[in-house]
Amino acid sequence: EAGVTQFPSHSVIEKGQTVTLRCDPISGHDNLYWYRRVMGKEIKFLLHFVKESKQDESGMPNNRFLAERTGGTYSTLKVQPAELEDSGVYFCASSHAGTGTLSPLHFGNGTRLTVT
Amino acid sequence: AQSVTQPDIHITVSEGASLELRCNYSYGATPYLFWYVQSPGQGLQLLLKYFSGDTLVQGIKGFEAEFKRSQSSFNLRKPSVHWSDAAEYFCAVGAKNNAGNMLTFGGGTRLMVKP
Repeated sequence: EAGVTQFPSHSVIEKGQTVTLRCDPISGHDNLYWYRRVMGKEIKFLLHFVKESKQDESGMPNNRFLAERTGGTYSTLKVQPAELEDSGVYFCASSHAGTGTLSPLHFGNGTRLTVT
Repeated sequence: AQSVTQPDIHITVSEGASLELRCNYSYGATPYLFWYVQSPGQGLQLLLKYFSGDTLVQGIKGFEAEFKRSQSSFNLRKPSVHWSDAAEYFCAVGAKNNAGNMLTFGGGTRLMVKP
């Protein structure tokens, strides 16, 4: 099966610009997660979708971040306007539904975002 | 709130030597524990997981980890390291009462392998 796909792999933007990251989960995975690793820090949870619904967005840093998952398939994470501290690697992950924490996460390769 | 500590930021071992990466966690109940590996340019790959039962867990690529409740540890081991094991390793704890996998990760340990 195809894995979790993230696009773009790298993005360099200027402070104040807008960037949209995309994640295509493994087909049939209802759970979709976004995580972020800021340089030198831990990988941190951002939010969790079950199908098209936001189950938990407690990790979203502020209202400059907007995540969507229209139709319960792919997801986008938009940063508007981007700030320097948003630089880092953004990971998407997916898992099967119903089995909750018994279902391991499958991660994409990440999008490396650099804000200058 | 749960937390994970990986005390070693960098570790260098010689090829063929044994390896142990340390992980300590803080969680109020029995945790779900994971080890992930990230090779350069790749995503996070699951090495192994512990949910319950036998405290010694076998994973892929010859890795194993042992859950020690009394020490709140879940150290990763490999008896003989290969050059291809050079990567960054992440320990993580999952919240058991969540509907999903809100994992809390440690800061990672970067492994370098000397020829």
